[in-house]
Amino acid sequence: GENVEQHPSTLSVQEGDSAVIKCTYSDSASNYFPWYKQELGKRPQLIIDIRSNVGEKKDQRIAVTLNKTAKHFSLHITETQPEDSAVYFCAASKMAGTALIFGKGTTLSVSS
Amino acid sequence: SAVISQKPSRDICQRGTSLTIQCQVDSQVTMMFWYRQQPGQSLTLIATANQGSEATYESGFVIDKFPISRPNLTFSTLTVSNMSPEDSSIYLCSVEGLGQTQYFGPGTRLLVL
Repeated sequence: GENVEQHPSTLSVQEGDSAVIKCTYSDSASNYFPWYKQELGKRPQLIIDIRSNVGEKKDQRIAVTLNKTAKHFSLHITETQPEDSAVYFCAASKMAGTALIFGKGTTLSVSS
Repeated sequence: SAVISQKPSRDICQRGTSLTIQCQVDSQVTMMFWYRQQPGQSLTLIATANQGSEATYESGFVIDKFPISRPNLTFSTLTVSNMSPEDSSIYLCSVEGLGQTQYFGPGTRLLVL
């Protein structure tokens, strides 16, 4: 079955710096790759996603890139702010109607 | 996105007892899923709740321990049976929206003593 690896497990940056979180997946049939942000005590919130027919997607300060050949995708956060501090999860799924397989998460800390 | 609610939001239970968690969605959805998130960990899929048929369980999860009901397209329940302290976790339901996007309920925080 699908396996999603996520690195790093923790990431500390200064406010204004960029942060990059990387994930690799094992199943070449996976075609949908969302990123979730989970603040302490809250539910995971979808922040951005990308599909296998797209190489890059951007939404304001966040962007996701996908390399299908290498089977990896990355989350990029620019101009980080303290409110970006949270746990970020990458995930993958193969088709509509199938569940997401999650990476282990990255704890991002942004200090001011 | 759909509005998803879960009941209870949290509970403290004694070992050996069972707890049923409810997940309600404000619109009809085809796919509903149940996940477990142990303290400080990632989300692990328990099962896919299928409307009109038995749930599909992931490896390591069995129907006797985690029976699931899906009586209609807006509601599902997950029961955690014969609980032990190892069952202390957050249990989350999710629904699939357009284009494979998944949205999560607020979660049920379970502590088993």
